[in-house]
Amino acid sequence: RKEVEQDPGPFNVPEGATVAFNCTYSNSASQSFFWYRQDCRKEPKLLMSVYSSGNEDGRFTAQLNRASQYISLLIRDSKLSDSATYLCAVNSGSSNTGKLIFGQGTTLQVKP
Amino acid sequence: GAGVSQSPRYKVAKRGQDVALRCDPISGHVSLFWYQQALGQGPEFLTYFQNEAQLDKSGLPSDRFFAERPEGSVSTLKIQRTQQEDSAVYLCASTLGNEQFFGPGTRLTVL
Repeated sequence: RKEVEQDPGPFNVPEGATVAFNCTYSNSASQSFFWYRQDCRKEPKLLMSVYSSGNEDGRFTAQLNRASQYISLLIRDSKLSDSATYLCAVNSGSSNTGKLIFGQGTTLQVKP
Repeated sequence: GAGVSQSPRYKVAKRGQDVALRCDPISGHVSLFWYQQALGQGPEFLTYFQNEAQLDKSGLPSDRFFAERPEGSVSTLKIQRTQQEDSAVYLCASTLGNEQFFGPGTRLTVL
């Protein structure tokens, strides 16, 4: 079983839709959690850090569920420009060196 | 430049050839990471430097892979005797606080 797992999708949604992605992780000692966005043939860019209390940035909401060991990303009012691959990343355990373990990525395609 | 830069952006190598990939991190960033990203997968950790010290190389897939950062700034990832399975995008990231800033990557194709 991979340490961080995501449904690769693709998720095909119409503009304006709300879409949610989940990501599960296996190492209960993980301390930091992130969502990255990666456009085709580009590098990953940090979208949001994920905090225990949950956090929101405009149309994007990230949540952490430590008990069930998953993080989620909710995108409201999807735009065409949201089409990308969304990678979840987990800091690998208690050492907190910053080493990230990434999921496979979930592909989102927003259609007009 | 303001961001992480990597060179070359594209590299085609014949099987068995040695390659060297360069990463220029953001000035002043102490931590530097190398990741390998295969097509359709997320990045996978290769190795980590804090200044010039290589603190974790657990992700290097074989002894053909070697990384260095001799002066604590620029880093080089070297792959000896390349194999087809080495074909991937090699990403470098430097860190400020909790955030990793990625370079554009080097796309390596081994024929």
